[in-house]
Amino acid sequence: GAVVSQHPSRVICKSGTSVKIECRSLDFQATTMFWYRQFPKQSLMLMATSNEGSKATYEQGVEKDKFLINHASLTLSTLTVTSAHPEDSSFYICSAPRDSSSTDTQYFGPGTRLTVL
Amino acid sequence: GQSLEQPSEVTAVEGAIVQINCTYQTSGFYGLSWYQQHDGGAPTFLSYNALDGLEETGRFSSFLSRSDSYGYLLLQELQMKDSASYFCAVRDEDGGFKTIFGAGTRLFVKA
Repeated sequence: GAVVSQHPSRVICKSGTSVKIECRSLDFQATTMFWYRQFPKQSLMLMATSNEGSKATYEQGVEKDKFLINHASLTLSTLTVTSAHPEDSSFYICSAPRDSSSTDTQYFGPGTRLTVL
Repeated sequence: GQSLEQPSEVTAVEGAIVQINCTYQTSGFYGLSWYQQHDGGAPTFLSYNALDGLEETGRFSSFLSRSDSYGYLLLQELQMKDSASYFCAVRDEDGGFKTIFGAGTRLFVKA
């Protein structure tokens, strides 16, 4: 199956710093990628849709200036958490549809666990 | 708006069969997906039903009834490694690329 990688897998940072998370599709091109946040024992909450070559689409309530998304190529999307605070601590997961015309099958990255001290 | 409902927890014993139900409410429906997620890991795709009926993939099967806005995931010959969270999901009702996930069902498999 399709492989999506994420880096780093785990990051601990001080409050006020910025953290960049990379999401790569390894064996297919992804014009669209999705960024989710998941708190313990909760469901996946979509934060934004990353579109190659254009601006990301953010879900209601997600601050676009705080969560910067860049989809620089057909295989790479990055999420930067700017001026991170303890409440941003969460599990961040990216995904990409194998088939750009249908997102019913999503392939997920392994996730990044962010801890902000 | 869209909503998906599934039980929060299910417990079963090894070797048993368990069914995880999912009811959904959405004005535009394209199909129902199921994902498995182990603690600390990422979700993995299990199955997708666009049409009514049962889809079988090894020990896992998924069923859909569009008229009842209902589906289920059936896990047979349960193994300890099946202990995980299971999410049903639908595509955004606008037909866009967004996927909406249910709250998830935590399955505990006991020896």
